[in-house]
Amino acid sequence: EEQMVETGGGLIQPGGSLRLSCVASGFIVSSTYMTWVRQVPGKGLEWVSVIYNDGSTFYAHSVRGRFTISRDISKNTVYLQMNSLRAEDTAVYYCARGHCSGGICYNNPDHWGQGTLVTVSS
Amino acid sequence: DIVMTQTPLSLPVTLGQPASISCRSSHSLVHADGNTYLSWFHQRPGQPPRLLFYMIFNRFSGVPDRFSGSGAGTEFTLKISRVEVEDVGIYYCLQATQFPWTFGQGTKVEIK
Repeated sequence: EEQMVETGGGLIQPGGSLRLSCVASGFIVSSTYMTWVRQVPGKGLEWVSVIYNDGSTFYAHSVRGRFTISRDISKNTVYLQMNSLRAEDTAVYYCARGHCSGGICYNNPDHWGQGTLVTVSS
Repeated sequence: DIVMTQTPLSLPVTLGQPASISCRSSHSLVHADGNTYLSWFHQRPGQPPRLLFYMIFNRFSGVPDRFSGSGAGTEFTLKISRVEVEDVGIYYCLQATQFPWTFGQGTKVEIK
């Protein structure tokens, strides 16, 4: 069964850094693309970043230059390094797998992790 | 950026009755490759979103056939033919035709 487990969230002061991890099981992260989506509690979904199987990456305007997505294939893990954190980065961060089937990858995530809460506050 | 606008934002429905959610994009979602990357997700309280449809009308594995997706260009619709209790929650559309990917604000479906 495909599964993603996010860890690394917590309380951090403004200006600080955190690294989120998304450990995948049941599939290989390099066989698809992986994305991060965040959600302020009680609010809507906001796409954050994506890393494709060729290693290319893309970011939301609000995090570009501060966040970095990466992966470690040996650990089957995707990361989100978050620097210069702001109060508005407070959210549940979800890791989601790209939807690929029959050798075709579609531009939408299919399976999501349970999320990890990041709280940026002094 | 492409802005996704969902209507209504709140949808009280009667069990067994139909429901319809609209999603409008500020720009055409037809990609250069000819595909339209519009998907729908359902989120129950305390749970991560769950994929319902991709590329407008392709039903994802396990999604009941009382759900349907339709539309083209900038206008898209998610329909539930007969609402069941398990359908409550928030529905989001997502465009992934152009970066940054953007979600609609969400439509909260609740039972009257």
